[in-house]
Amino acid sequence: GDSVTQMEGPVTLSEEAFLTINCTYTATGYPSLFWYVQYPGEGLQLLLKATKADDKGSNKGFEATYRKETTSFHLEKGSVQVSDSAVYFCALSDLRSGAQKLVFGQGTRLTINP
Amino acid sequence: GAVVSQHPSRVICKSGTSVKIECRSLDFQATTMFWYRQFPKQSLMLMATSNEGSKATYEQGVEKDKFLINHASLTLSTLTVTSAHPEDSSFYICSAQLAGSSYEQYFGPGTRLTVT
Repeated sequence: GDSVTQMEGPVTLSEEAFLTINCTYTATGYPSLFWYVQYPGEGLQLLLKATKADDKGSNKGFEATYRKETTSFHLEKGSVQVSDSAVYFCALSDLRSGAQKLVFGQGTRLTINP
Repeated sequence: GAVVSQHPSRVICKSGTSVKIECRSLDFQATTMFWYRQFPKQSLMLMATSNEGSKATYEQGVEKDKFLINHASLTLSTLTVTSAHPEDSSFYICSAQLAGSSYEQYFGPGTRLTVT
Protein backbone atom coordinates (compact mmCIF):
# COMPACT_ATOMS: atom_id res chain seq x y z
CA GLY A 1 0.00 0.00 0.00
CA ASP A 2 0.87 3.65 -0.07
CA SER A 3 3.37 4.87 2.51
CA VAL A 4 5.33 7.93 3.57
CA THR A 5 8.73 8.00 5.23
CA GLN A 6 10.13 11.06 6.96
CA MET A 7 13.54 11.71 8.40
CA GLU A 8 13.81 10.74 12.02
CA GLY A 9 13.61 13.45 14.58
CA PRO A 10 13.92 15.29 16.74
CA VAL A 11 15.65 18.08 14.89
CA THR A 12 17.15 20.96 16.84
CA LEU A 13 18.43 24.08 15.11
CA SER A 14 19.44 27.59 15.98
CA GLU A 15 17.39 30.53 14.83
CA GLU A 16 18.09 31.61 11.22
CA ALA A 17 19.52 28.20 10.31
CA PHE A 18 18.57 26.41 7.09
CA LEU A 19 16.05 23.63 7.48
CA THR A 20 15.52 20.47 5.46
CA ILE A 21 13.15 17.71 6.49
CA ASN A 22 13.29 14.78 4.11
CA CYS A 23 10.18 12.97 2.94
CA THR A 24 9.87 10.12 0.47
CA TYR A 25 6.80 8.24 -0.57
CA THR A 26 5.58 5.03 -2.15
CA ALA A 27 2.35 5.10 -4.10
CA THR A 28 0.81 3.07 -6.88
CA GLY A 29 -1.22 5.93 -8.30
CA TYR A 30 -0.72 9.64 -8.74
CA PRO A 31 -0.74 11.12 -5.27
CA SER A 32 -1.05 14.65 -4.09
CA LEU A 33 1.55 15.52 -1.47
CA PHE A 34 1.16 17.61 1.65
CA TRP A 35 3.04 19.00 4.59
CA TYR A 36 1.08 19.51 7.79
CA VAL A 37 2.29 21.28 10.92
CA GLN A 38 1.14 20.63 14.47
CA TYR A 39 1.98 23.33 16.98
CA PRO A 40 2.02 22.38 20.67
CA GLY A 41 -1.46 21.72 21.97
CA GLU A 42 -3.12 22.31 18.59
CA GLY A 43 -4.51 20.28 15.72
CA LEU A 44 -2.85 19.78 12.37
CA GLN A 45 -2.75 22.64 9.93
CA LEU A 46 -2.04 22.36 6.24
CA LEU A 47 1.29 24.06 5.56
CA LEU A 48 1.61 23.48 1.82
CA LYS A 49 0.72 21.05 -0.90
CA ALA A 50 1.55 19.97 -4.45
CA THR A 51 -0.77 18.03 -6.70
CA LYS A 52 1.45 16.99 -9.59
CA ALA A 53 5.05 16.34 -10.51
CA ASP A 54 7.37 19.37 -10.46
CA ASP A 55 4.82 21.49 -8.59
CA LYS A 56 6.29 23.57 -5.80
CA GLY A 57 4.21 24.25 -2.73
CA SER A 58 5.13 27.23 -0.58
CA ASN A 59 3.83 29.01 2.50
CA LYS A 60 5.29 31.04 5.37
CA GLY A 61 8.77 30.75 3.90
CA PHE A 62 8.57 26.96 3.64
CA GLU A 63 8.89 25.22 0.29
CA ALA A 64 8.65 21.69 -1.06
CA THR A 65 8.89 20.43 -4.62
CA TYR A 66 7.11 17.31 -5.87
CA ARG A 67 9.88 15.15 -7.36
CA LYS A 68 8.39 12.16 -9.12
CA GLU A 69 11.74 10.81 -10.27
CA THR A 70 12.99 10.52 -6.70
CA THR A 71 9.52 10.08 -5.11
CA SER A 72 10.36 12.86 -2.69
CA PHE A 73 8.79 15.99 -1.23
CA HIS A 74 11.43 17.48 1.03
CA LEU A 75 10.49 20.47 3.17
CA GLU A 76 12.89 23.43 3.23
CA LYS A 77 13.11 26.84 4.82
CA GLY A 78 15.99 29.22 4.42
CA SER A 79 15.90 30.84 7.84
CA VAL A 80 13.92 29.28 10.67
CA GLN A 81 12.40 31.12 13.60
CA VAL A 82 11.64 30.05 17.15
CA SER A 83 7.96 30.14 16.23
CA ASP A 84 8.56 27.34 13.70
CA SER A 85 9.03 24.88 16.55
CA ALA A 86 6.40 22.21 15.97
CA VAL A 87 5.88 18.71 14.63
CA TYR A 88 5.84 18.43 10.85
CA PHE A 89 4.03 15.66 9.01
CA CYS A 90 4.46 14.71 5.38
CA ALA A 91 1.40 13.07 3.85
CA LEU A 92 -0.02 11.84 0.58
CA SER A 93 -3.47 11.37 -0.79
CA ASP A 94 -4.16 9.44 -3.95
CA LEU A 95 -7.15 11.31 -5.25
CA ARG A 96 -7.27 9.52 -8.58
CA SER A 97 -8.05 6.23 -6.90
CA GLY A 98 -10.84 8.00 -5.09
CA ALA A 99 -9.45 6.96 -1.75
CA GLN A 100 -9.51 10.50 -0.40
CA LYS A 101 -7.52 9.24 2.53
CA LEU A 102 -4.38 10.81 3.89
CA VAL A 103 -1.41 8.62 4.64
CA PHE A 104 0.97 10.28 7.08
CA GLY A 105 4.64 9.95 7.77
CA GLN A 106 5.74 9.47 11.34
CA GLY A 107 6.26 13.16 11.99
CA THR A 108 9.41 15.15 12.70
CA ARG A 109 9.67 17.24 15.82
CA LEU A 110 11.49 20.50 15.18
CA THR A 111 12.86 22.70 17.94
CA ILE A 112 14.38 26.07 17.17
CA ASN A 113 16.56 27.66 19.83
CA PRO A 114 17.02 31.43 20.03
CA GLY B 1 -13.05 29.83 7.41
CA ALA B 2 -12.97 26.02 7.40
CA VAL B 3 -12.86 25.60 11.17
CA VAL B 4 -13.35 22.21 12.80
CA SER B 5 -14.03 21.87 16.50
CA GLN B 6 -13.91 18.88 18.81
CA HIS B 7 -15.57 18.40 22.15
CA PRO B 8 -14.41 17.67 24.72
CA SER B 9 -10.77 18.62 24.42
CA ARG B 10 -9.87 16.37 27.33
CA VAL B 11 -11.77 13.60 29.04
CA ILE B 12 -10.96 11.17 31.80
CA CYS B 13 -13.19 8.16 32.26
CA LYS B 14 -13.22 4.95 34.22
CA SER B 15 -12.55 1.60 32.65
CA GLY B 16 -15.73 0.02 31.33
CA THR B 17 -17.59 3.24 30.63
CA SER B 18 -18.33 4.82 27.25
CA VAL B 19 -17.18 8.17 26.01
CA LYS B 20 -18.56 10.25 23.14
CA ILE B 21 -16.40 12.70 21.20
CA GLU B 22 -17.99 15.25 18.87
CA CYS B 23 -16.50 16.69 15.72
CA ARG B 24 -18.14 19.72 14.12
CA SER B 25 -17.44 21.69 11.00
CA LEU B 26 -18.36 25.19 12.11
CA ASP B 27 -18.57 27.17 8.90
CA PHE B 28 -18.84 24.64 6.11
CA GLN B 29 -20.58 21.43 5.17
CA ALA B 30 -18.57 18.25 5.25
CA THR B 31 -19.80 15.22 3.37
CA THR B 32 -16.87 13.21 4.65
CA MET B 33 -15.20 13.21 8.04
CA PHE B 34 -12.24 11.16 9.16
CA TRP B 35 -11.25 9.91 12.59
CA TYR B 36 -7.60 9.43 13.49
CA ARG B 37 -5.76 8.17 16.50
CA GLN B 38 -2.38 9.54 17.48
CA PHE B 39 -0.12 7.78 19.93
CA PRO B 40 2.54 9.76 21.82
CA LYS B 41 5.32 10.92 19.50
CA GLN B 42 3.86 8.93 16.63
CA SER B 43 1.96 9.62 13.49
CA LEU B 44 -1.74 9.74 12.91
CA MET B 45 -3.41 6.46 12.14
CA LEU B 46 -6.67 6.58 10.24
CA MET B 47 -9.40 4.73 12.10
CA ALA B 48 -12.40 5.26 9.88
CA THR B 49 -13.96 7.33 7.14
CA SER B 50 -17.42 8.67 7.84
CA ASN B 51 -19.82 9.78 5.12
CA GLU B 52 -22.95 11.69 5.99
CA GLY B 53 -26.00 9.47 6.13
CA SER B 54 -24.18 6.18 5.64
CA LYS B 55 -22.20 3.70 7.65
CA ALA B 56 -18.60 4.45 8.41
CA THR B 57 -15.81 2.59 6.67
CA TYR B 58 -13.30 1.25 9.17
CA GLU B 59 -9.63 0.61 8.57
CA GLN B 60 -8.28 -2.86 9.02
CA GLY B 61 -7.76 -3.73 12.65
CA VAL B 62 -10.19 -1.14 14.02
CA GLU B 63 -13.09 -2.66 15.92
CA LYS B 64 -16.30 -1.10 14.63
CA ASP B 65 -18.28 -2.29 17.64
CA LYS B 66 -15.87 -0.61 19.99
CA PHE B 67 -15.47 2.65 18.10
CA LEU B 68 -18.96 3.67 17.05
CA ILE B 69 -19.14 6.44 14.50
CA ASN B 70 -22.23 8.40 13.60
CA HIS B 71 -22.35 11.09 10.92
CA ALA B 72 -25.93 12.26 11.16
CA SER B 73 -25.54 15.67 9.55
CA LEU B 74 -23.23 17.55 7.24
CA THR B 75 -21.66 19.35 10.18
CA LEU B 76 -21.44 16.73 12.92
CA SER B 77 -19.78 13.38 13.38
CA THR B 78 -19.43 11.55 16.69
CA LEU B 79 -17.03 8.87 17.85
CA THR B 80 -18.11 6.78 20.82
CA VAL B 81 -15.52 4.65 22.55
CA THR B 82 -17.53 1.87 24.16
CA SER B 83 -16.45 -0.08 27.22
CA ALA B 84 -13.23 1.88 27.34
CA HIS B 85 -10.03 0.32 28.61
CA PRO B 86 -6.71 1.93 29.56
CA GLU B 87 -5.22 0.88 26.22
CA ASP B 88 -7.80 3.11 24.52
CA SER B 89 -6.13 6.13 26.09
CA SER B 90 -4.91 8.23 23.21
CA PHE B 91 -5.28 11.47 21.29
CA TYR B 92 -8.22 11.30 18.88
CA ILE B 93 -8.34 13.72 15.99
CA CYS B 94 -11.06 14.29 13.45
CA SER B 95 -10.90 16.00 10.10
CA ALA B 96 -13.60 17.22 7.75
CA GLN B 97 -13.52 17.38 4.00
CA LEU B 98 -15.19 20.33 2.35
CA ALA B 99 -18.07 19.19 0.18
CA GLY B 100 -17.25 19.52 -3.51
CA SER B 101 -13.73 20.71 -2.78
CA SER B 102 -10.35 19.56 -3.95
CA TYR B 103 -10.43 17.01 -1.15
CA GLU B 104 -8.58 19.17 1.34
CA GLN B 105 -9.09 18.07 4.92
CA TYR B 106 -9.43 20.43 7.87
CA PHE B 107 -8.42 19.09 11.23
CA GLY B 108 -9.92 19.50 14.65
CA PRO B 109 -7.72 20.28 17.67
CA GLY B 110 -8.01 16.76 19.01
CA THR B 111 -9.40 15.11 22.14
CA ARG B 112 -7.14 13.64 24.79
CA LEU B 113 -8.81 10.52 26.26
CA THR B 114 -7.47 9.00 29.45
CA VAL B 115 -9.03 5.80 30.73
CA THR B 116 -8.25 4.96 34.36
